[in-house]
Amino acid sequence: GEDVEQSLFLSVREGDSSVINCTYTDSSSTYLYWYKQEPGAGLQLLTYIFSNMDMKQDQRLTVLLNKKDKHLSLRIADTQTGDSAIYFCAERGLGLRSQGNLIFGKGTKLSVKP
Amino acid sequence: KAGVTQTPRYLIKTRGQQVTLSCSPISGHRSVSWYQQTPGQGLQFLFEYFSETQRNKGNFPGRFSGRQFSNSRSEMNVSTLELGDSALYLCASSLARMGGQETQYFGPGTRLLVL
Repeated sequence: GEDVEQSLFLSVREGDSSVINCTYTDSSSTYLYWYKQEPGAGLQLLTYIFSNMDMKQDQRLTVLLNKKDKHLSLRIADTQTGDSAIYFCAERGLGLRSQGNLIFGKGTKLSVKP
Repeated sequence: KAGVTQTPRYLIKTRGQQVTLSCSPISGHRSVSWYQQTPGQGLQFLFEYFSETQRNKGNFPGRFSGRQFSNSRSEMNVSTLELGDSALYLCASSLARMGGQETQYFGPGTRLLVL
């Protein structure tokens, strides 16, 4: 089946690095995404990675993909209080359930303490 | 370029009523997808419209329906509302049909409360 799993909570101190992990099950996934949701807001696309890549870096964000283990991570360097939000991992697979649309994890709530 | 807009932002209805939500995609985007977000179930795909045709549908009852107009704007309708329909409804647009190399951009959502 197609499923995306994330830990629900992560707490870090301002200035530290945050690492949010995600596992997925659909081996046909083409793209994997990270979205950010702040309270009362919609989803903001942070970054994405194509399934034939191992790593993608975009300013403070680093995405690592281990396709063999179906494991995706998002590292935020020098985490700031403004990074406090819920982070969603999503896969876009070609399976029967997703049909090319996004399957989301439940989200990881990141709390950044000053 | 303006982002995805959704109206209304907040809505309160009672059980048994019906509701219509609206979504205007990013200019030039032709695909619109709808998602339901609840604390229990998370984000779930409702349906996708492209060129005024429903292309994909998630696992939701027939009370949930939608349509897309020639200008790519989309509406979704929920009839005979139930308490469990209370959720944040998110609309996302992309240039072309999902399944290719398309990225979805989300609107702020419509928060529906059913009493």
